[in-house]
Amino acid sequence: NAGVTQTPKFQVLKTGQSMTLQCAQDMNHNSMYWYRQDPGMGLRLIYYSASEGTTDKGEVPNGYNVSRLNKREFSLRLESAAPSQTSVYFCASSLTGTGGYEQYFGPGTRLTVT
Amino acid sequence: AQRVTQPEKLLSVFKGAPVELKCNYSYSGSPELFWYVQYSRQRLQLLLRHISRESIKGFTADLNKGETSFHLKKPFAQEEDSAMYYCALSDRLYGNKLVFGAGTILRVKS
Repeated sequence: NAGVTQTPKFQVLKTGQSMTLQCAQDMNHNSMYWYRQDPGMGLRLIYYSASEGTTDKGEVPNGYNVSRLNKREFSLRLESAAPSQTSVYFCASSLTGTGGYEQYFGPGTRLTVT
Repeated sequence: AQRVTQPEKLLSVFKGAPVELKCNYSYSGSPELFWYVQYSRQRLQLLLRHISRESIKGFTADLNKGETSFHLKKPFAQEEDSAMYYCALSDRLYGNKLVFGAGTILRVKS
């Protein structure tokens, strides 16, 4: 099993450009998440999807949109990239419920916006 | 609001010395506390969670509700423990969303 996969691994964008970060998991998890990691700030939740067909905002959703394409895939879109969105983006997945389930993380996408 | 505080950005210790990575949280509900670790060039992974009350790689963490702390401890640090450590909190009542602390880099010197 590949676990959680993300594409691309690296990306450089110019201000105003758009792009979609792809995430897929093969663990049959219902819940999926998008985080951004910035120095001194840890990981912050951008959006999450508790189940196929549902998405909800996290702590820092502005400037982003998401799509839960099916149970396996959860994409993150930047419609008009800004330098403040330079970050490392992580996708994660987990079982759903109130059991404090482990989240499994992808390898990350390093995005630079110039 | 939920908040996780890790006061140290960097903790540097010698091999064989005890390690304590501090974590304090702010939450009035019923939190679940976790420690995640990111080794160099590896993805973030779960180290341990408070409900398991287990020891992983020699690390332990006890939830102290009175002090709202969940400090990570190891009696004798090893060089392979060098990594970024994140303390995280989730709320049982609202699913599995995690709130992370800023992280602490642990460097174990030989």
